[in-house]
Amino acid sequence: KAGVTQTPRYLIKTRGQQVTLSCSPISGHRSVSWYQQTPGQGLQFLFEYFSETQRNKGNFPGRFSGRQFSNSRSEMNVSTLELGDSALYLCASSLKAGFDTGELFFGEGSRLTVL
Amino acid sequence: DQQVKQNSPSLSVQEGRISILNCDYTNSMFDYFLWYKKYPAEGPTFLISISSIKDKNEDGRFTVFLNKSAKHLSLHIVPSQPGDSAVYFCAASGETSGSRLTFGEGTQLTVNP
Repeated sequence: KAGVTQTPRYLIKTRGQQVTLSCSPISGHRSVSWYQQTPGQGLQFLFEYFSETQRNKGNFPGRFSGRQFSNSRSEMNVSTLELGDSALYLCASSLKAGFDTGELFFGEGSRLTVL
Repeated sequence: DQQVKQNSPSLSVQEGRISILNCDYTNSMFDYFLWYKKYPAEGPTFLISISSIKDKNEDGRFTVFLNKSAKHLSLHIVPSQPGDSAVYFCAASGETSGSRLTFGEGTQLTVNP
């Protein structure tokens, strides 16, 4: 079955602009989480959505937002971009919120560069 | 506050030998631990996990050990193969974390032929 699909894979923006990233989870998966990866910082949790509801949110400013649609697809938005927002943004899906096996399935990520 | 730490940014081993990747955590509420492997230009893929009720979990060439008193876990790969060369992330979650994982910074493993 198809994996987690993220679009776009690469994008370049300038400071002050805003960006929207999209994620299609594995078919049947209802939970979508977003992570930011920067060099030396590992993966930082942004937020988790389940059944169109945000269930958990990481320590990021309000410029970072997201939503989930009824088909479980999710988008995240970053407004008023800053240079420090340059990162790989990873989306992960799981069958349900919380863990049984603990496995998250990650997409290949969207590489954002802010100039 | 880095609650999950991987103190070695890189590790190099010879093919056929054992690779040992280490991870320390500070949050005593963590009760589930996972290792992910990441190749360049790909998302992380799940490798192996362990619950806090166990101290060892084995899957083929991969074994994870958990020492709760020391808040330390390690991943052993035996024997190491060149295809194992990747960045390995340790991650942890607690009962109320949902799908929120706390990741370490990653260790770049290089297995030399």
